[in-house]
Amino acid sequence: EDQVTQSPEALRLQEGESSSLNCSYTVSGLRGLFWYRQDPGKGPEFLFTLYSAGEEKEKERLKATLTKKESFLHITAPKPEDSATYLCAVQARYGQNFVFGPGTRLSVLP
Amino acid sequence: NAGVTQTPKFQVLKTGQSMTLQCAQDMNHNSMYWYRQDPGMGLRLIYYSASEGTTDKGEVPNGYNVSRLNKREFSLRLESAAPSQTSVYFCASNPPRGTGPDTQYFGPGTRLTVL
Repeated sequence: EDQVTQSPEALRLQEGESSSLNCSYTVSGLRGLFWYRQDPGKGPEFLFTLYSAGEEKEKERLKATLTKKESFLHITAPKPEDSATYLCAVQARYGQNFVFGPGTRLSVLP
Repeated sequence: NAGVTQTPKFQVLKTGQSMTLQCAQDMNHNSMYWYRQDPGMGLRLIYYSASEGTTDKGEVPNGYNVSRLNKREFSLRLESAAPSQTSVYFCASNPPRGTGPDTQYFGPGTRLTVL
């Protein structure tokens, strides 16, 4: 059964304090790993798709990396506007569905 | 393009009442999904539709029915609402593989409370 776990459950950072969020997964043949950002009261918003171990993608202060068992979302010098819940999901190579982790709730304090 | 739209935004029901959540997308996507989101549990798939005319059960289908009315619209029905169905419901769609960005696009959600 495909599974996704995320840690920590919640993270509080000071503005400018870099850190990483973890997404661990088990899937029967990975087609893609997805990162989303979700603001309170809104639907998830797409950030990145990673397809193979060793792949990295960047967007502003965010950088996502992928290994065969986990993905990291690195946040460099975060700002208060980066506060949100970050969701990780996987899709199997021969499947239609996406399996989501429970998310990491990030708070960046000014 | 409006993307994925959902109605209503909020709804309060009494136990045993029925209702239909509406979802529409204007991106010409084949695949559409219904999720529920509960605190600490992430998004759980209720039903999905790979194409017009087909629907399949997801992880938590009990108590729900769906209709893929046409390529644009995918509705979720609660025939007899229960307090355990209090949740936030999200509709999503994604393009066929190889035709666009490899991701799901989500609607704004429907917040449902069952008393």
